Amino acid sequence: DTAVSQTPKYLVTQMGNDKSIKCEQNLGHDTMYWYKQDSKKFLKIMFSYNNKELIINETVPNRFSPKSPDKAHLNLHINSLELGDSAVYFCASSQGRAGASYNSPLHFGNGTRLTVT
Amino acid sequence: GQNIDQPTEMTATEGAIVQINCTYQTSGFNGLFWYQQHAGEAPTFLSYNVLDGLEEKGRFSSFLSRSKGYSYLLLKELQMKDSASYLCASSDSNYQLIWGAGTKLIIKP
Repeated sequence: DTAVSQTPKYLVTQMGNDKSIKCEQNLGHDTMYWYKQDSKKFLKIMFSYNNKELIINETVPNRFSPKSPDKAHLNLHINSLELGDSAVYFCASSQGRAGASYNSPLHFGNGTRLTVT
Repeated sequence: GQNIDQPTEMTATEGAIVQINCTYQTSGFNGLFWYQQHAGEAPTFLSYNVLDGLEEKGRFSSFLSRSKGYSYLLLKELQMKDSASYLCASSDSNYQLIWGAGTKLIIKP
């Protein structure tokens, strides 16, 4: 059973298009995240939701809009895609805040490799 | 500013021991995490240190010195499957994780 699953795994699209990435976790965690990993491998937090409430909203373009219909799902919609959006996007979940303790490590999905041409 | 430094790449021999260092500067400190990421895969949790000292978990150990802002991950009896990137992340005063760029570990036979 996949703990954190995100779809699609690969996404190739043209500049200007709108696309969505979906994420679901079956771990019963109350906090979910979207991370972006660029070509230099830095992981950057984009958004975090706790029980469907937005708690972290880092400085990302407002073309990126997260949506959490329930605490097991966190989707990411991207409008007007740009070349610089090409990266791997990871969904993750944790019980409580991920940086809080040994008992709340992040569980990552397998990533969505987005290529904008 | 907040910063995590770790070497970009290291090479070691199968069966040997390797130490991957990480120095951190964060606003406040609530612990240091190590994650392993195989190429093309998701990061997976390895260890967490919040007190000074060494935490041992099988072939992997992690050390923390809060006064020096320093941690290391020690991998013993290296196996080919240990070839991966190792990510260091510090938890700041708001429990936000600040990530390093990762150390790519190459294991040679």
